[in-house]
Amino acid sequence: AQSVTQLGSHVSVSEGALVLLRCNYSSSVPPYLFWYVQYPNQGLQLLLKYTTGATLVKGINGFEAEFKKSETSFHLTKPSAHMSDAAEYFCAVSDKGAGGTSYGKLTFGQGTILTVHP
Amino acid sequence: SQTIHQWPATLVQPVGSPLSLECTVEGTSNPNLYWYRQAAGRGLQLLFYSVGIGQISSEVPQNLSASRPQDRQFILSSKKLLLSDSGFYLCAWRPGLAGIETQYFGPGTRLLVL
Repeated sequence: AQSVTQLGSHVSVSEGALVLLRCNYSSSVPPYLFWYVQYPNQGLQLLLKYTTGATLVKGINGFEAEFKKSETSFHLTKPSAHMSDAAEYFCAVSDKGAGGTSYGKLTFGQGTILTVHP
Repeated sequence: SQTIHQWPATLVQPVGSPLSLECTVEGTSNPNLYWYRQAAGRGLQLLFYSVGIGQISSEVPQNLSASRPQDRQFILSSKKLLLSDSGFYLCAWRPGLAGIETQYFGPGTRLLVL
């Protein structure tokens, strides 16, 4: 069974500071990994994803994440926080069946609420 | 382009009443469809998924059911709501093609059971 752990339910940074949101996963096979962002009372928006290939992936709004197999991690970073980055962030892992196919079932972490102070 | 709709946006229902939430996708064919629930303190949980008309898989035992009467329509139902059914319900879709892994989420329905 897959699982995702997001360390820190709340992260607070100053505007312009580095953003680091941590995600560790457990999976029996190399997973597909995702970061989604959720603004209040809205659905989830994809920030970035890792499936295969380059382990450093870049997403929207200046975010990037690095897949580290040895550490089973997929931490999300942004060099300089902006007030508009305040939201809840979810890390997720997708199932991958035999032959690399999947039904796309996502297992989510508990989420990290990012607060950005002026 | 593809869009996903959910309605209603907000719903307040008494305990024991029935429920019907609807999700429709436009601009694609044969999508995979998903229902998730986001409850306070419990993160996002996959409830049901469907790979085709009439094909429903349930991920957790619960008071809810799902149906897919048309290719791009996914319905979440209950005969009698419980207090524990309160939460934010999200519908998502993914292209039904192998290798396309990204799920796209709808705006959600907030359900409060009193």
